Amino acid sequence: QSVLTQPPSVSGAPGQRVTISCTGSSSNIETTYNVHWYQQLPGTVPRLLICDNINRPSGVPDRFSGSKSGASASLAITGLRAEDEADYYCQSYDSSLGGVIFGGGTKLTVL
Amino acid sequence: EVQLVQSGAEVKKPGESLKISCKGSGYNFTNYWIGWVRQKPGKGLEWMGIIDPRDSDTRYSPSFHGQVTISADKSISAAYLQWSSLKASDTAMYYCARHVSLIAEAAPWGQGTLVTVSS
Repeated sequence: QSVLTQPPSVSGAPGQRVTISCTGSSSNIETTYNVHWYQQLPGTVPRLLICDNINRPSGVPDRFSGSKSGASASLAITGLRAEDEADYYCQSYDSSLGGVIFGGGTKLTVL
Repeated sequence: EVQLVQSGAEVKKPGESLKISCKGSGYNFTNYWIGWVRQKPGKGLEWMGIIDPRDSDTRYSPSFHGQVTISADKSISAAYLQWSSLKASDTAMYYCARHVSLIAEAAPWGQGTLVTVSS
């Protein structure tokens, strides 16, 4: 059971918009700790997609955006493409555990 | 170019010891933490622990504390993950990744080291 809760799967048709939620608690997301998002394409290394809740590293398309409110964060993907089919993970820090935490991951299927 | 290069795949028997490495290049190794992440086949990412190579300050996930040892040698810009007695359940891909601080994002990631433990 992950400290950060993500839906196991989401799906959408090409061109549509999907969101992936990441729910935490008062010892992680709800405080000042930022949320980061990673994309893991099948058989590849995880890649940083969003850092510090809303920032896209260079090279990440602006179709990807992040937000955070209260004890939850979200990753939104607009203009869905077949190549977006991947696993997505949120990550933060937990003061009770004293370390990094990951969400359980969300599998995105492009229909 | 900032890179983390991990040691190659390993096949071990239960009870054997193992030490895998993660070598950084293209940046000042002591300015960043190195974290380790486990991914079992078909499963999600699990954070194992993290080390500050500057002074070897190390933090472990409660799930991995006492199960593995994380170390670093700043003189050769390398971090390590080691087991004293492997179990079949340690079979997984292991990634190292760079963090600017304990609470920051992980980037870049190493290419991963596949560890297979089988009798």
